[in-house]
Amino acid sequence: SQTIHQWPATLVQPVGSPLSLECTVEGTSNPNLYWYRQAAGRGLQLLFYSVGIGQISSEVPQNLSASRPQDRQFILSSKKLLLSDSGFYLCAWSGLAGDRALSTDTQYFGPGTRLTVL
Amino acid sequence: ELKVEQNPLFLSMQEGKNYTIYCNYSTTSDRLYWYRQDPGKSLESLFVLLSNGAVKQEGRLMASLDTKARLSTLHITAAVHDLSATYFCAVEIDFGNEKLTFGTGTRLTIIP
Repeated sequence: SQTIHQWPATLVQPVGSPLSLECTVEGTSNPNLYWYRQAAGRGLQLLFYSVGIGQISSEVPQNLSASRPQDRQFILSSKKLLLSDSGFYLCAWSGLAGDRALSTDTQYFGPGTRLTVL
Repeated sequence: ELKVEQNPLFLSMQEGKNYTIYCNYSTTSDRLYWYRQDPGKSLESLFVLLSNGAVKQEGRLMASLDTKARLSTLHITAAVHDLSATYFCAVEIDFGNEKLTFGTGTRLTIIP
């Protein structure tokens, strides 16, 4: 079965400090990978998604970046955090079977990282 | 731009009652997903609806999809406290898009 891990679980960082959040997936190959941010009491905002190693699509302009150095590893980074970067960061994966009629794009979410920027 | 709206945003209901959460979207959709989120936790996949008229049921929850009306419903039957959570619908526009657009969420509180 597939599992998805995120770390750290909780992070408190000062404004202007760097950030690195990591997400890894086990039990599947060539997954699509996604980074979302959820502000307190709000919905999900898609930040980045990746369909393969080194392939990153950015959804919103921001001071965050993403990288996919390995097939099942997705990293979210920032050189200088802003107060507005606080939130709950969720990584997700999805995978298509060979015949799309038999598969779905259900995204499966990791446990999340709660980031507080002070 | 695809818009996905849920209503109500907040719902407080007594145990044993029935209620429905609505998810409307603005563009023809390929597929629709329902997720549950407990406070402080991640999202859990509940249902995938793949075609017009699709109906899925799991326990006290039943989801349906009307692609012509661009509407999905999540019906709760005889609510119990364990169903208290925030429920999100998410819409996939077209094949190869690999992206879901999430609704605003409905925070459901079941009162004993």
